[in-house]
Amino acid sequence: DVVMTQSTLSLPVTLGQPASISCRSSQGLVHSDGNTYLHWFQQRPGQSPRRLIYKVSNRDSGVPDRFSGSGSGTDFTLKISRAEAEDVGVYYCMQGTHWPFTFGPGTKVDIK
Amino acid sequence: EVQLVESGGGLVQPGGSLRLSCAASGFTFSSYWMSWVRQAPGKGLEWVANIRQDGSQKYYVDSVKGRFTISRDDAKNSLFLQMNSLRVEDTAVYYCARDRLGYWGQGTLVTVSS
Repeated sequence: DVVMTQSTLSLPVTLGQPASISCRSSQGLVHSDGNTYLHWFQQRPGQSPRRLIYKVSNRDSGVPDRFSGSGSGTDFTLKISRAEAEDVGVYYCMQGTHWPFTFGPGTKVDIK
Repeated sequence: EVQLVESGGGLVQPGGSLRLSCAASGFTFSSYWMSWVRQAPGKGLEWVANIRQDGSQKYYVDSVKGRFTISRDDAKNSLFLQMNSLRVEDTAVYYCARDRLGYWGQGTLVTVSS
């Protein structure tokens, strides 16, 4: 199985400041169809997960533009340009290229 | 508006069975892969199973193979997860999700305990 690693499990952020979450996969995530199925999810306390970014860098509808995704190969990053109070929660990367799909352990973001 | 509403969770003894349902609305259900994802209390997310649009392909995480069966009824816009031989470690909130997890339900709690 593909192992997804998020090296930072806890990330205190300052309101208005940028934040970055990294994710690494144990093997490349380019699918045979040419797409890279690396997605990012946000789970606020007490809520269901919500997808923020799909296929590395595509923002889902309604997601603020302060969120952006980048990366290639086995290294990926989610960036928050200016952290807001509503960004508190756990962020997961997930690969949907290889069966079984696998999630990273999550990075818990809170406010300093 | 896309809506996914899970039901069927509850308390069951080890070795028992449960059938989860997910009622979908707001989109053409028959056109999408569908998935089940679970989250044990205080833990991370684990993809459990998914099913192709026509039901011809199904995939499972190793830990549930042979015990869980995913199915769908496109006429009723419904997704199911039949869970047999339940174990304590299957205790989790089970979420129904569309396609590549772009939409999620609110989840249903399954507790396996004696």
